[in-house]
Amino acid sequence: DIQMTQSPSSLSASVGDRVTVTCRASHGISNYLAWYQQKPGKAPKLLIYGASTLQSGVPSRFSGSGFGTDFTLTISSLQPEDVATYYCQKYDSAPLTFGGGTKVEIK
Amino acid sequence: EVQLVESGGGLVKPGGSLRLSCTVSGFTFNNAWMSWVRQAPGKGLEWVGRIKSKSDAGTIDYAASVKGRFTISRDDVENTLYLQMNSLEIEDTGIYYCTRYKNGNYYFDYWGQGTLVTVSS
Repeated sequence: DIQMTQSPSSLSASVGDRVTVTCRASHGISNYLAWYQQKPGKAPKLLIYGASTLQSGVPSRFSGSGFGTDFTLTISSLQPEDVATYYCQKYDSAPLTFGGGTKVEIK
Repeated sequence: EVQLVESGGGLVKPGGSLRLSCTVSGFTFNNAWMSWVRQAPGKGLEWVGRIKSKSDAGTIDYAASVKGRFTISRDDVENTLYLQMNSLEIEDTGIYYCTRYKNGNYYFDYWGQGTLVTVSS
């Protein structure tokens, strides 16, 4: 099975900072990669699919890139409401697999 | 407005059974592919299984960790998704989310609020 590895596992940044989260697949998955945001005590929310397509209603400060094995989620200007854990998910084939998550906090 | 509402969680002993339900509204359920995703306390997300629409043969797949113990089904008249969980293990403890696949793609555009399952003696 393809493994998804996220880094870092946590980060702390200031409001307005540019934040980057990385997700690496153990084998190539083309662009079959989604990103989710999970705020404390809430269900996950779809942010990005197809590695770079923003889900409707998601603020434009979020962006995604990558292809094959290496992917990134970028928050261009971190806001207090972005405090959450972010997960990547590969969906090229079964089994669907999530990364371990990256917890983003405000410094 | 799309809504997915899970119910049926609770405390059960190891080896016991539990049935979760997910009642949906705001979209045409019988066309939707649906899934269950779980999250152990303080841990990440784990896909449990999926059921396609009847028009797509209603195919069902499971994660290896639950295959043979869990059964996913659907009632398109009642707009409800089910997860029958048998032979429960302590490692099955967690929040179970009902999710909808987006337009037949294998990622999830809507999630329920989750229901907590605790397996403990």
